[in-house]
Amino acid sequence: DTEVTQTPKHLVMGMTNKKSLKCEQHMGHRAMYWYKQKAKKPPELMFVYSYEKLSINESVPSRFSPECPNSSLLNLHLHALQPEDSALYLCASSPSLEAPYEQYFGPGTRLTVT
Amino acid sequence: DAKTTQPPSMDCAEGRAANLPCNHSTISGNEYVYWYRQIHSQGPQYIIHGLKNNETNEMASLIITEDRKSSTLILPHATLRDTAVYYCIVRVASKAAVNKLTFGGGTRVLVKP
Repeated sequence: DTEVTQTPKHLVMGMTNKKSLKCEQHMGHRAMYWYKQKAKKPPELMFVYSYEKLSINESVPSRFSPECPNSSLLNLHLHALQPEDSALYLCASSPSLEAPYEQYFGPGTRLTVT
Repeated sequence: DAKTTQPPSMDCAEGRAANLPCNHSTISGNEYVYWYRQIHSQGPQYIIHGLKNNETNEMASLIITEDRKSSTLILPHATLRDTAVYYCIVRVASKAAVNKLTFGGGTRVLVKP
């Protein structure tokens, strides 16, 4: 199973809402990532987790709060977002943070903030 | 990680080989060349990577010049399903380096019937 799943596929939320994005993999990977992709732009790294601990935060605003409850699951909690946060949010995993392995991406959650 | 330069777009005919160039003139000796692609409305997909030797897998071939300042991804028999944005990424690939991808603009490839 080389699949990374993400739910929901689409999400519309107001600026005062709290919502969460979920990502799951069952490949035994120990590194997991969140990327943000605006329309017609390349993906940009947001967060990296290694062995369930946050390793990299690319200066992401605190209204985005990641969580890695176990080695298979990665969440992104959203609160008080702005319309400019509307984007495709991609999750990825790789066997290790340190090793030069390829990353496996999920299909993404398309988020619209109204 | 070294910066890459790719043409913004290119067309190719279905059934023909597609040759996608990438310039990485500032590449360091310990940096690999990776290729990913992103089909519309999907997440990026790993294609291939190499250091200095040419590489081939079931999806594509990677040709790296002897001075390593440029490379070409070859899709041998392009199909309509190969229509995607192709990203060339250069990064250090060692146990000491963080496994982090920095995507550039990519090349938007349109395969035409």
